[in-house]
Amino acid sequence: DQQVKQNSPSLSVQEGRISILNCDYTNSMFDYFLWYKKYPAEGPTFLISISSIKDKNEDGRFTVFLNKSAKHLSLHIVPSQPGDSAVYFCAASLINTGTASKLTFGTGTRLQVTL
Amino acid sequence: EPEVTQTPSHQVTQMGQEVILRCVPISNHLYFYWYRQILGQKVEFLVSFYNNEISEKSEIFDDQFSVERPDGSNFTLKIRSTKLEDSAMYFCASSGRMQETQYFGPGTRLLVL
Repeated sequence: DQQVKQNSPSLSVQEGRISILNCDYTNSMFDYFLWYKKYPAEGPTFLISISSIKDKNEDGRFTVFLNKSAKHLSLHIVPSQPGDSAVYFCAASLINTGTASKLTFGTGTRLQVTL
Repeated sequence: EPEVTQTPSHQVTQMGQEVILRCVPISNHLYFYWYRQILGQKVEFLVSFYNNEISEKSEIFDDQFSVERPDGSNFTLKIRSTKLEDSAMYFCASSGRMQETQYFGPGTRLLVL
């Protein structure tokens, strides 16, 4: 099941610069997308999300962009900080009213922010 | 800030033994989920639960697995007869009425020997 892909397993960025993490999906029925941050031996922590009716959502240093025609989304972190170093997972869902809707995760991108 | 909690944090068991993983979802949430992550792999969906019944289950969630919400606060995952390949981190998640954002617990690391 490769419905959600993160093609870059790792990314290294200098502190203060922009980090751009990418995610591609194949199922055009997905209507909600999320980014999670994960440290080793901890649960995924929700960062930011976007509905398919939007193409951009911003929350502080984090911005998510959605390009539905390309089935692509990206997470921008600016400025990057050392504390941002973690694995970032993209996830997608198809929201069904009246039933619980699962998340389909990508394989993750390990971000390292260097001094 | 409300959070999802899970117990135990670690469990070691022998192959063939039963294990029960426990979760307390965020109190006003309505939708509940179990996921797992085998070391080095992506987070995989196991099962979702709403209105006291399973909404969806993955191929992984075979007859050895079951879920229960016994008392309105806990949400449990039972593995009846564990296999070596069940070794993984198991995450519980819950979401509210709009069910858009799922919030995850810290996970239970299960090791089957």
